[in-house]
Amino acid sequence: DAGVTQSPTHLIKTRGQQVTLRCSPKSGHDTVSWYQQALGQGPQFIFQYYEEEERQRGNFPDRFSGHQFPNYSSELNVNALLLGDSALYLCASSLGGVRSYEQYFGPGTRLTVT
Amino acid sequence: AQTVTQSQPEMSVQEAETVTLSCTYDTSENNYYLFWYKQPPSRQMILVIRQEAYKQQNATENRFSVNFQKAAKSFSLKISDSQLGDTAMYFCAFIPYNNNDMRFGAGTRLTVKP
Repeated sequence: DAGVTQSPTHLIKTRGQQVTLRCSPKSGHDTVSWYQQALGQGPQFIFQYYEEEERQRGNFPDRFSGHQFPNYSSELNVNALLLGDSALYLCASSLGGVRSYEQYFGPGTRLTVT
Repeated sequence: AQTVTQSQPEMSVQEAETVTLSCTYDTSENNYYLFWYKQPPSRQMILVIRQEAYKQQNATENRFSVNFQKAAKSFSLKISDSQLGDTAMYFCAFIPYNNNDMRFGAGTRLTVKP
């Protein structure tokens, strides 16, 4: 049973560039949430995708956008990168509906913006 | 605002001993879930234990148990018979019913010493 996978593992970008991170949910899951974890802090909720739509969004600017595909995989896009966007980006999957709180996390993508 | 506070940035414990990690939260919601997640140095977040706010009985998972005090908005984690593999960052998290924005504390770094 495949767990949550994310790619790439590490990424280095320059300020102003754009980046796309990818996530494949755990088998059987249809909901994907994205979190940003800055160094030394807990994860912060970016948004959640369900049925190919953004279901809920945290306090992040529009530079952060996403997409969910028919196979439930998801992408996180960040435009106009800032130094402060350097962080570990975590993807978590769950079943939609009342059990969406049972989230399984991927290993994360470490983004460094220089 | 819904916030989670972990007042112990770092803790250490001798192997085989017991340690308690503290967590408090602030919410006006009556129905919610609380979690403890473990993030080992390999960084994949793993669910340790879950508590539903309407249940008075404290959750237990093998060596891990919680002390849930709803009126005090406190949710501590007790690890019994600590093992070297328990060394990790531990995050307390909160999510209200019918909401997808999971809030995390800043984490407690636990080191189990041989």
